[in-house]
Amino acid sequence: EVQLVESGGGLDQPGGSLRLSCVASGFTFSSYWMTWLRQAPGKGLEWVANVRQDGVQKYYADSVKGRLTISRDNAKNSIYLQINSLRAEDTAVYYCARTWPTGGLDYWGQGTLVTVSS
Amino acid sequence: QSALTQPASVSGSPGQSITISCTGTSSDVGGYNYVSWYQQYPGKAPKFLIYDVSNRASGVSDRFSGSKSGDTASLTISGLQAEDEGDYYCLSYTTASTPAYVFGTGTKVTVL
Repeated sequence: EVQLVESGGGLDQPGGSLRLSCVASGFTFSSYWMTWLRQAPGKGLEWVANVRQDGVQKYYADSVKGRLTISRDNAKNSIYLQINSLRAEDTAVYYCARTWPTGGLDYWGQGTLVTVSS
Repeated sequence: QSALTQPASVSGSPGQSITISCTGTSSDVGGYNYVSWYQQYPGKAPKFLIYDVSNRASGVSDRFSGSKSGDTASLTISGLQAEDEGDYYCLSYTTASTPAYVFGTGTKVTVL
């Protein structure tokens, strides 16, 4: 059974940094692109970033480029999202998803909530 | 990367068919057959419905179908059921700036 479990969310202050993790199981992790997405409270889904199987190729949404960094560790079946210079608008549920070559997101984690507030 | 445009809400009676549109540009929906659709219930993670414009994901009811014409992709739900009530999002590959993906604005489906 494919499972994705996110962690690392919580309450943080503006200007701080945070690293989210997503651990995968039930499939050959190193064979898939992986994606981070987020959803602000009461808002729609936002595509954030994805990373290729080898961890070298990465794509980012314009809105997060330069401040959020995606990475992966195939030995640990995990992807990560480093968020620097936290802003109130980073408040959201963050999801990771297994990704098809044409962008389809077939399995999602349950999400981890990040709240940025002083 | 601007969000793709979806109607805020669509409603229908049980048994009817409804269609949700997803309008973009030639840099995203119109330029590539990389459109997927997702269903989301409140407080839950989205569910994968359609990939590559018109292919149903594994286990998805054949009441759901996808299509595309020009810069607009569409999701049709036939034989509407109470369990179809929820939010629906399209997602497309985009080259508007750097290569990436962009979601639609989302559509709330209400079963009357």
